[in-house]
Amino acid sequence: GENVEQHPSTLSVQEGDSAVIKCTYSDSASNYFPWYKQELGKRPQLIIDIRSNVGEKKDQRIAVTLNKTAKHFSLHITETQPEDSAVYFCAASNSGGGADGLTFGKGTHLIIQP
Amino acid sequence: IAGITQAPTSQILAAGRRMTLRCTQDMRHNAMYWYRQDLGLGLRLIHYSNTAGTTGKGEVPDGYSVSRANTDDFPLTLASAVPSQTSVYFCASSRDILNTEAFFGQGTRLTVV
Repeated sequence: GENVEQHPSTLSVQEGDSAVIKCTYSDSASNYFPWYKQELGKRPQLIIDIRSNVGEKKDQRIAVTLNKTAKHFSLHITETQPEDSAVYFCAASNSGGGADGLTFGKGTHLIIQP
Repeated sequence: IAGITQAPTSQILAAGRRMTLRCTQDMRHNAMYWYRQDLGLGLRLIHYSNTAGTTGKGEVPDGYSVSRANTDDFPLTLASAVPSQTSVYFCASSRDILNTEAFFGQGTRLTVV
């Protein structure tokens, strides 16, 4: 089955700086890569996703890049703000069998220092 | 009900007892999932359902069972709870197998003592 590795487990950046979280996956058939944000005590919520026919996607301060050859994808947050502090999870799935569920990375605790 | 709802929010359960976690969605989503979240391990899939009447095993199915009698409901049952099942449980749903954006419930914090 799919295996997703996520790094780093903790990331501390100064407010206003950029943050980058990286994930690798093992199953070359995976074609859907979402990122979820989870604030303390809350449910995970989708912030951005990318499909395998696209190399990059951007939504305001958030961008995701995908390298299918290397089987890795990254989340980029620019101009970080205090409300970006949370745990971020990457995930992968083969949406052809998408209801098999997402395989998640173990999460990155992002801390924005004032 | 708006979206996806879980009950109870939290529960303390004696080891050996049977427990059913409830999950209901009103979005008419075909696919539903149960995940458990443990510190340092992320979210791991327990069971899933492609559509009403079908279920499948995820990464960590042992000790859990599910049913999908209709589109809206996807209960998770622990037949005989053990302390290692102490976790936060999230139910999720997605529209269909071609749209895998998953919407999560608010979670159930279960402690088995």
